[in-house]
Amino acid sequence: GEDVEQSLFLSVREGDSSVINCTYTDSSSTYLYWYKQEPGAGLQLLTYIFSNMDMKQDQRLTVLLNKKDKHLSLRIADTQTGDSAIYFCAESATGGAGNMLTFGGGTRLMVKP
Amino acid sequence: DTEVTQTPKHLVMGMTNKKSLKCEQHMGHRAMYWYKQKAKKPPELMFVYSYEKLSINESVPSRFSPECPNSSLLNLHLHALQPEDSALYLCASSQESNEQFFGPGTRLTVL
Repeated sequence: GEDVEQSLFLSVREGDSSVINCTYTDSSSTYLYWYKQEPGAGLQLLTYIFSNMDMKQDQRLTVLLNKKDKHLSLRIADTQTGDSAIYFCAESATGGAGNMLTFGGGTRLMVKP
Repeated sequence: DTEVTQTPKHLVMGMTNKKSLKCEQHMGHRAMYWYKQKAKKPPELMFVYSYEKLSINESVPSRFSPECPNSSLLNLHLHALQPEDSALYLCASSQESNEQFFGPGTRLTVL
């Protein structure tokens, strides 16, 4: 079955860049997502990338995909204290309404002032 | 309207109670989902409705009963729950483009 793995914890200083990594095993993954979850809240979709792309940039966020190594990363430039949260990567092998997401275990990002 | 709403925000219930969680979206999404999330864990998929029909049931116990009255609403009926069912219950919706948008969740405590 599919497996998505992330490191548990990352600590950075305010203003530095953060890089959160994710690996997945399903070679048929078509869509890869990054979600942010603040304490007591739901999941906020940050960005996503199709498997035929290598990179996607959206303001402070850069997603890199190495399909050969099945490695996905999320870079947050100029990290702020408000970026402190749990970040989940997720993959889906199908498109259309009613798809299943497989989530990684989440990376807790702590930003120190 | 670009959000998924869930009510109630918090719910405390006894093991003999019957309660319902509600989810609503007005984005025209045709798929809606229920997830269960325990502390410090990723969300676990429970049910998927696609075009108002149940398409995926991830072997969820029958004490959880989903209902999709129309394309904008999704309910989760709860009966005879156990304390280990205490969790954050998240609703999500998606359209053909695949991204799932999540609601804020209902924090459920079963005593």
